[in-house]
Amino acid sequence: GAVVSQHPSWVICKSGTSVKIECRSLDFQATTMFWYRQFPKQSLMLMATSNEGSKATYEQGVEKDKFLINHASLTLSTLTVTSAHPEDSSFYICSAGGGSAAYEQYFGPGTRLTVT
Amino acid sequence: KQEVTQIPAALSVPEGENLVLNCSFTDSAIYNLQWFRQDPGKGLTSLLLIQSSQREQTSGRLNASLDKSSGRSTLYIAASQPGDSATYLCAGVQGAQKLVFGQGTRLTINP
Repeated sequence: GAVVSQHPSWVICKSGTSVKIECRSLDFQATTMFWYRQFPKQSLMLMATSNEGSKATYEQGVEKDKFLINHASLTLSTLTVTSAHPEDSSFYICSAGGGSAAYEQYFGPGTRLTVT
Repeated sequence: KQEVTQIPAALSVPEGENLVLNCSFTDSAIYNLQWFRQDPGKGLTSLLLIQSSQREQTSGRLNASLDKSSGRSTLYIAASQPGDSATYLCAGVQGAQKLVFGQGTRLTINP
């Protein structure tokens, strides 16, 4: 199956700093990438959908100025958590689909963010 | 708004048993229904994807069914093994490939 990577796999940062998470589709071109957040023992909640070359579409309740998403190429999307606070600590997972992946989405391994 | 519910939230069975995980969704206008596995602290592994025109999909010991009219999907696991222990998530695929996830069923297979 198609492979999606995320970097870093885990990160610890201080409150008020910004953190960038990368999501890459390694062996296929993805026209659409999705960003999810998962709190402990909870399910995944979609944060935003990004299409290559256009602005991301954010789900209701997600602050677009806090969670900056860039999808500059068919293989890379980035999520930047700006001015992070402890409540932003979570597991962030990306998925990639569309393009050569057709109708299926492939998920990255996730990034554990801890804000102290 | 699509809502996906999974029952039970947790399940513990002895090794070798066959088991069924349930998933229900409120909006039958889904494109596909997908089942995933998630190990603790890890990302998602896609198990089976059932397209809206299909009624079931099989992969090895796994069989997933989809009944759009009743808003239900089931994941059947045959001859369970300890390595099957994980959280299983179902998700309805809406327009623009958006996935709506259930809360998951935490499965434990006891040796």
